[in-house]
Amino acid sequence: EDQVTQSPEALRLQEGESSSLNCSYTVSGLRGLFWYRQDPGKGPEFLFTLYSAGEEKEKERLKATLTKKESFLHITAPKPEDSATYLCAVQASRSGNTPLVFGKGTRLSVIA
Amino acid sequence: NAGVTQTPKFQVLKTGQSMTLQCAQDMNHEYMSWYRQDPGMGLRLIHYSVGAGITDQGEVPNGYNVSRSTTEDFPLRLLSAAPSQTSVYFCASSYSMRGTGATIYFGEGSWLTVV
Repeated sequence: EDQVTQSPEALRLQEGESSSLNCSYTVSGLRGLFWYRQDPGKGPEFLFTLYSAGEEKEKERLKATLTKKESFLHITAPKPEDSATYLCAVQASRSGNTPLVFGKGTRLSVIA
Repeated sequence: NAGVTQTPKFQVLKTGQSMTLQCAQDMNHEYMSWYRQDPGMGLRLIHYSVGAGITDQGEVPNGYNVSRSTTEDFPLRLLSAAPSQTSVYFCASSYSMRGTGATIYFGEGSWLTVV
């Protein structure tokens, strides 16, 4: 069974205090690992897709990295507007249409 | 470009009532799905569809029904609402889930309360 575990559940940072969010996964062959951002009262918004170990992607203050067992979302010098819940999801490489399996998310609060 | 549109945004139902959550996408996406999101449980897949006339069950399908008569629309029907179905419902779509690049895009959500 495909599983995704995100840690910590909640993270509180001061503005400018860099940190990382963790996404550990168990999947029978990885087709893709996805990061989403979700603001309160909104639907998840796509951030990144990673496909193979060693891959990295960046967007503004966010950088996502991938190993064979986990992914990290690094947040450099965060600002209050980075406060949101960050969701990780995996897609297994089974044949055909394979739905995404999501973790429970990390709720990030950045305090000015 | 509207993306994924869900209606209604908010709904209160009485136990035993039925209703339909509407979802439409204008991106000509092959794949559409419904998730529910509950505190501490994350996003859980209810049903999904890989094209008109084709649907399949996800992780938590009981109490829900879907159909896909067109590429654009994927309604979710609650047959006899129960308090356990109080949740936030998200519709999502993707061009395809068969290969790489299977990014799914979400609607804004429908908040359902069953009393």
